[in-house]
Amino acid sequence: GESVGLHLPTLSVQEGDNSIINCAYSNSASDYFIWYKQESGKGPQFIIDIRSNMDKRQGQRVTVLLNKTVKHLSLQIAATQPGDSAVYFCAESSGYSTLTFGKGTMLLVSP
Amino acid sequence: DAGVIQSPRHEVTEMGQEVTLRCKPISGHNSLFWYRQTMMRGLELLIYFNNNVPIDDSGMPEDRFSAKMPNASFSTLKIQPSEPRDSAVYFCASSFEGLNTEAFFGQGTRLTVV
Repeated sequence: GESVGLHLPTLSVQEGDNSIINCAYSNSASDYFIWYKQESGKGPQFIIDIRSNMDKRQGQRVTVLLNKTVKHLSLQIAATQPGDSAVYFCAESSGYSTLTFGKGTMLLVSP
Repeated sequence: DAGVIQSPRHEVTEMGQEVTLRCKPISGHNSLFWYRQTMMRGLELLIYFNNNVPIDDSGMPEDRFSAKMPNASFSTLKIQPSEPRDSAVYFCASSFEGLNTEAFFGQGTRLTVV
């Protein structure tokens, strides 16, 4: 597949570690945030989302944290597995705009 | 549901040729998006349809690009004439109730213009 990660920030972790991927957003009017995972040769896949009336949301092995004061979003992956290796994108939108995607972070998980 | 279906998966064409990319959104979704992904620019929105009507085409690079959605289950993105700088992966995505909701992506079409 396309090597979309060649110039991306990269996070390397060991299997079983917890991973934290960070994202800064710029639009203070954004009220919806979403994390996508993209594996090589595939389309982005939804992981978890959060609206601005919350500051934390948990899914299966994943947690998203939102800090509206500093316009920061993070994705925490617990007990990271080799299958989690992918490029992770944050995206934001407001009620009047479509999703705007960040540049992405590549996560590499070593066995 | 089979998800968003795009065709072809890969397309190699010569500069100057017309290229047509196809998308079938998820049944029941009323919003459709075309994105382009490159290493240099990441994921860029090209055009957004709601209820088959183009709402925002400000991301369409130039007049060589056009998109249509003749009905709720089909959309096309056409490039005529194609140029090498159009080489990218093109994604179609759909969502239920438009903005501020999860968009479901297809597998993409990798376009190479030589």
